[in-house]
Amino acid sequence: DAGVIQSPRHEVTEMGQEVTLRCKPISGHDYLFWYRQTMMRGLELLIYFNNNVPIDDSGMPEDRFSAKMPNASFSTLKIQPSEPRDSAVYFCASTHSGSFYEQYFGPGTRLTVT
Amino acid sequence: KQEVTQIPAALSVPEGENLVLNCSFTDSAIYNLQWFRQDPGKGLTSLLLIQSSQREQTSGRLNASLDKSSGRSTLYIAASQPGDSATYLCAPSPMIKAAGNKLTFGGGTRVLVKP
Repeated sequence: DAGVIQSPRHEVTEMGQEVTLRCKPISGHDYLFWYRQTMMRGLELLIYFNNNVPIDDSGMPEDRFSAKMPNASFSTLKIQPSEPRDSAVYFCASTHSGSFYEQYFGPGTRLTVT
Repeated sequence: KQEVTQIPAALSVPEGENLVLNCSFTDSAIYNLQWFRQDPGKGLTSLLLIQSSQREQTSGRLNASLDKSSGRSTLYIAASQPGDSATYLCAPSPMIKAAGNKLTFGGGTRVLVKP
């Protein structure tokens, strides 16, 4: 399996612009997670889905952030409008109950908002 | 709310020495605990997963122990090599399976193995 795939790997944008991050989970996994990593706050869970349904979005920092999972093989995290403090590395991870919920992470998207 | 602490925050050892990385968590009602490795600028790689019913898990030179009642896990890396240089993170998940293994991460231990 190719593992969790994320795109783009790097994104540089100007403040106020819309940013869309993409994730393809491992085939057969029914849970998908979005995390954000910064030096100040470490790794934080933003939102997770089970069978394409959002279960817990309590980590989403503001209404500017939204996430969707239209099918089992694709998810997006959107920031609109973006701000410099959104600069971070965003990770996607997936898992399934058959593996005792062991999570597998993608390579991440490094977002820089100027 | 689960809180995870990893001590030390950084560790530097000569090649060949054994590494001991500590992880403590405040809520002992966990389903499992994962140890990850993160190389600079890279994603997280799962090293070991210990189920709450297990006391330890081994993979090659890596051994992880779990003492759920005291809220502690330890990762041992035997005969360290320069290639082991990375940041190591632990992450317990809650007992409630419906949470789908919602992980809480520690701040990590940054390891440098000097040749």
